[in-house]
Amino acid sequence: AQSVTQLGSHVSVSEGALVLLRCNYSSSVPPYLFWYVQYPNQGLQLLLKYTTGATLVKGINGFEAEFKKSETSFHLTKPSAHMSDAAEYFCAVSERIQGAQKLVFGQGTRLTINP
Amino acid sequence: ETGVTQTPRHLVMGMTNKKSLKCEQHLGHNAMYWYKQSAKKPLELMFVYNFKEQTENNSVPSRFSPECPNSSHLFLHLHTLQPEDSALYLCASSQYLTSGTYEQYFGPGTRLTVT
Repeated sequence: AQSVTQLGSHVSVSEGALVLLRCNYSSSVPPYLFWYVQYPNQGLQLLLKYTTGATLVKGINGFEAEFKKSETSFHLTKPSAHMSDAAEYFCAVSERIQGAQKLVFGQGTRLTINP
Repeated sequence: ETGVTQTPRHLVMGMTNKKSLKCEQHLGHNAMYWYKQSAKKPLELMFVYNFKEQTENNSVPSRFSPECPNSSHLFLHLHTLQPEDSALYLCASSQYLTSGTYEQYFGPGTRLTVT
């Protein structure tokens, strides 16, 4: 079975500092990997995804993630944090099921930005 | 309306009540999903429908009863719930991408409180 582990349920950085949110996955097949963001009182919004090809993936709002097969990791980074980045972030691995997709999520990391 | 909408946004119900959650997607997708998000657990997939046919039931108790009358609408009927069922219930829909995976779009969720 596939699984995702997000290291650190809470991460706090200063505005302008590097953001690094960690995600490790377990999958018996080549994985499809996703990062979602959830702002307060909202649903999940897709930040970026890795399917095949280039291992460095760029997403919205200046975020990017690098797929490292040898480390089974898909860490999310942003060079310079902004106050509006404060939210909860979820890493997920995808499993294809009949005509649809099963996402297995990590427990989430709450990102706080200090002024 | 665009994207995925959910009604109501908030619901308080007693353990003996019967209520329904509604989800509608305006994206032309073929698959729809119900997720449960509670404070102490990762996002849990509950049900998956593909072209109105249920393709996944993640061992969800029978007090939750899904209904998918067409590809655009999804309901979750609730009866005799328990306080531990209090959570945010998220609906999503997905489309197949040429990259070989799917992309899920989430609604804003219904915050359910069982008293």
